[in-house]
Amino acid sequence: AQSVTQLGSHVSVSEGALVLLRCNYSSSVPPYLFWYVQYPNQGLQLLLKYTSAATLVKGINGFEAEFKKSETSFHLTKPSAHMSDAAEYFCAVSDNNQGGKLIFGQGTELSVKP
Amino acid sequence: EPEVTQTPSHQVTQMGQEVILRCVPISNHLYFYWYRQILGQKVEFLVSFYNNEISEKSEIFDDQFSVERPDGSNFTLKIRSTKLEDSAMYFCASSPQLAGEFNEQFFGPGTRLTVL
Repeated sequence: AQSVTQLGSHVSVSEGALVLLRCNYSSSVPPYLFWYVQYPNQGLQLLLKYTSAATLVKGINGFEAEFKKSETSFHLTKPSAHMSDAAEYFCAVSDNNQGGKLIFGQGTELSVKP
Repeated sequence: EPEVTQTPSHQVTQMGQEVILRCVPISNHLYFYWYRQILGQKVEFLVSFYNNEISEKSEIFDDQFSVERPDGSNFTLKIRSTKLEDSAMYFCASSPQLAGEFNEQFFGPGTRLTVL
């Protein structure tokens, strides 16, 4: 069965600092991986997705993620944090064998200090 | 830009009452999903729906839950007899294709269900 683990339920960075949110997956087949962001009182918005075309994926708002098969990881990074990046971030894997459901990690809350 | 909408944004109900959560998926999408997020926990899959029938359901989706696409635009989740533990944020999502590299699901803003 596929699963996703996000290390760190809460990450705090200073404005302008590097953002690194960790995600490891477990999958018996080539995975389709996603990062979603949830701003307070809003729904889930797709940040980026890995679809096997390239291991380094660029998303919206300056975020990117690198797929590393050897490490079964798909960590999310941003070189310079902005106050508006404060939100909950979810890593997810698509279950390609059935109805295409998304299996989510537990989420990481990102705080950005001025 | 097309978006998934959900109503109501917040629903308060008494334990044992029936609730219906409504969603309007993006118009040309074919696959529909319900997820829920209990406060402080991760987003969990409930059910997927395609071609007017359930494709897959989780163990959470027991006989108290049902889904329907009554009129070709709305997609509803019904909970027949709510329990306290049903209190959660419920998200509807839709996608134009099934699994695969283009399986991007678009999420609605959610309905917060509070069961008293």
